[in-house]
Amino acid sequence: AQSVTQLGSHVSVSEGALVLLRCNYSSSVPPYLFWYVQYPNQGLQLLLKYTSAATLVKGINGFEAEFKKSETSFHLTKPSAHMSDAAEYFCAVRGTNFGNEKLTFGTGTRLTIIP
Amino acid sequence: DTAVSQTPKYLVTQMGNDKSIKCEQNLGHDTMYWYKQDSKKFLKIMFSYNNKELIINETVPNRFSPKSPDKAHLNLHINSLELGDSAVYFCASSPLRGSSGNTIYFGEGSWLTVV
Repeated sequence: AQSVTQLGSHVSVSEGALVLLRCNYSSSVPPYLFWYVQYPNQGLQLLLKYTSAATLVKGINGFEAEFKKSETSFHLTKPSAHMSDAAEYFCAVRGTNFGNEKLTFGTGTRLTIIP
Repeated sequence: DTAVSQTPKYLVTQMGNDKSIKCEQNLGHDTMYWYKQDSKKFLKIMFSYNNKELIINETVPNRFSPKSPDKAHLNLHINSLELGDSAVYFCASSPLRGSSGNTIYFGEGSWLTVV
């Protein structure tokens, strides 16, 4: 079974500082990996995804993530945090077996931006 | 136009009642999902339908019954509501089955509170 683990349920960074949200995956086959963001009282919005093309993936709002097979990681980064980045972030892996293409989510990381 | 729309967004009801949440997607997708987000923000799939056919049914009480009248709609009916059913329910959709790299698009969520 595929799974993802997000290290750190809460991360706080100062405005303008680097954002690093960690995600490690477990998969016996090449995974499809996703990062979603959830703003308060809103739905889930896709930030970026890895689908076995380029290992460095750029997403919306200045976020990017690098797929590292050797480390089984897909960490999310942003060079300079903005107040509007405060939200809950979810890493997810999608099954590749026909008929089981569900998204399995990590437990989420709440990002707080300190003014 | 909202791609995946759910109604109602907020629902407060008493224990023992029966309620339904409706979902519609205008993206032309074949696959639709219901996810549940609990009070700790953990997201877990409940059901998945492809072209009106049930393909994923996780361990969900029989009180929960999805219904897909056509591939653009997936409704969730809940019988005999319990306090533990209080959660946010997300509807989602994605393109063709077998294309795991495709994005899953989420609705805005339906906040269910059982009192």
